[in-house]
Amino acid sequence: GAGVSQSPSNKVTEKGKDVELRCDPISGHTALYWYRQSLGQGLEFLIYFQGNSAPDKSGLPSDRFSAERTGGSVSTLTIQRTQQEDSAVYLCASSSHRGGYGYTFGSGTRLTVV
Amino acid sequence: KQEVTQIPAALSVPEGENLVLNCSFTDSAIYNLQWFRQDPGKGLTSLLLIQSSQREQTSGRLNASLDKSSGRSTLYIAASQPGDSATYLCAVEDTDKLIFGTGTRLQVFP
Repeated sequence: GAGVSQSPSNKVTEKGKDVELRCDPISGHTALYWYRQSLGQGLEFLIYFQGNSAPDKSGLPSDRFSAERTGGSVSTLTIQRTQQEDSAVYLCASSSHRGGYGYTFGSGTRLTVV
Repeated sequence: KQEVTQIPAALSVPEGENLVLNCSFTDSAIYNLQWFRQDPGKGLTSLLLIQSSQREQTSGRLNASLDKSSGRSTLYIAASQPGDSATYLCAVEDTDKLIFGTGTRLQVFP
């Protein structure tokens, strides 16, 4: 596609439920990233996929968070047993190559856990 | 560990002023530096990308410079307009991810 597409744009869920957030990167971009932006905070790196390599999961805050990328394209970020502190905007970005080529961000998914 | 700092945290100016936003980073081994704009409740819009071998990039009223050796970048906004009001984020790419500063919240009033 022309840009990075994320869905849903907004999600309200009850504490304890599982949620799935989707990211569709720019066609042909091999690198895909998930970031989290909590209210009033900076952007926090969560996870990085590059081609068929094992993902860099070093930013995931707990084992309730997981992500997968199928066929080197669409990615899904899953949060299990959501907590109120998971409320944030989850942003996805893609890049055409590792290092030096710039990132394009999607519009994000605003997650509210009530 | 790479750390990115942006100064000032907030800025409020009258329309027409020329502005300078500052970004500093602690590790000069970066692939590139990217400036983004974020409007309230929205995602990030890329403004300028400066490769590590470059010293500056320009787009319209925006000019960004990069001094890797001193770990600094500046974003210059000429003839500011109310539509420039947003949060401006600086990010450096090292190894395999972007490291963001906390941003400068800019308000331009008529």
